[in-house]
Order: sequence, then C-alpha cells, then structure tokens
Amino acid sequence: KNQVEQSPQSLIILEGKNCTLQCNYTVSPFSNLRWYKQDTGRGPVSLTIMTFSENTKSNGRYTATLDADTKQSSLHITASQLSDSASYICVVSATGTSYGKLTFGQGTILTVHP
Amino acid sequence: DAEITQSPRHKITETGRQVTLACHQTWNHNNMFWYRQDLGHGLRLIHYSYGVQDTNKGEVSDGYSVSRSNTEDLPLTLESAASSQTSVYFCASREAGGRYNEQFFGPGTRLTVL
Repeated sequence: KNQVEQSPQSLIILEGKNCTLQCNYTVSPFSNLRWYKQDTGRGPVSLTIMTFSENTKSNGRYTATLDADTKQSSLHITASQLSDSASYICVVSATGTSYGKLTFGQGTILTVHP
Repeated sequence: DAEITQSPRHKITETGRQVTLACHQTWNHNNMFWYRQDLGHGLRLIHYSYGVQDTNKGEVSDGYSVSRSNTEDLPLTLESAASSQTSVYFCASREAGGRYNEQFFGPGTRLTVL
C-alpha cells in the first residue's frame, strides 16, 4: 500500500531559527515528490517539486532534498518567520495513471513564535 | 487572474439531508478533483473527472456523487448526509498532461453534519 509518513507531527520554534521536516514514503512506482504549505483555513499551495533525478530544490528560504534510494525527503526552512506558521504536507505522485495518483502525508504543523 | 473557488465556505446541515458543494475554476483545466481532509489523515480522494461528462470514483467515494456538465464546474453532492461526512472538503484542478501533474487547490469548505 502506498504510504507517506511525516515527522514530527508538530513543531514549535522561535522566529529566526531553522528547522527541518521529514517525509518517508513507500509509493511505487515513483514519479515526483512535492511539498505543500497549507495556511489555516486555506487550501494547500505548492512549494517545491522534485523528480527522481533531482536531489535538492530551493524556493527562497525553503530547501527540499530527496533521497530516492532510501525514499526520504526533507524540507529545511531557514531563518523562520511568523508567516511560516502553517501545515507542511509531503505529497508523492505515482506513475501509471493519467492524472498522477497522489498520496498525501498527514502534515507537520509548524508554529513560529516571536 | 485565473482561480479556483468553492462555495459555501462553511455549511452546517442535518443528518439525512442532501447537500451540494460547489467548485468553479477559471483555468480551463480538464482534470478536477474532490478531496476530504480529516484529523489524522492526509487528504483523501473522493471523486475525479478528466473532462466534461467524465466522472470516476476515488478511494472514499461512498455516499458522494459528482457531475461534470462543463469544464469549469464540478459540484459534489452528499446524497444523504451522515455525521461521518463532517470534514473539510477541497476541490482541485489540473491541466491534463501538465508538467509534473501539479494540482491547484481551492480554499476549502468546512461541512458539519449534526
């Protein structure tokens, strides 16, 4: 069964600090991995996407890494800001379907305190 | 700007009533999706559509139906609402054959079934 597990479930950090969120997956056959940010009361918004051949991707203060051999990904947030408080969802896409079947992790809830 | 909207944003209904949630996108995307989001679960696929007059069941389709009469809209109907259908519902759309299969999400509808 395709699964995506994220850790930690929740995290509290102080503004300006760095943090790293983890994602392990068992989705096969693998197509791509995307990190989404979901603000409270909003829909998810894509931050980064990586295919099998990519092992790192940055978007401003967000840097995602992918190890396709161990089926692990991480999202590193640098110099956190209050606006980074949100749920971060790891989403893995499998090949073999025309719409790209998505498997969603449960998300990590990040709270940034001043 | 193109967008995806959902209405209503909040809905309270009673067990046994029929409820319809609206989803409208202006990107002219062929593929549209409905998900539900519950604590302890990642987003789960309810129904999806590849285009006009096409609908398909997702992993949690029991008690739900959709219809696709035009490109822009995919309404979700709960035939006889149950308390287990209390959830936050997200609509998404995707360009058919789009790069990396990115789905764009609406803002969500919070449904409470009493």
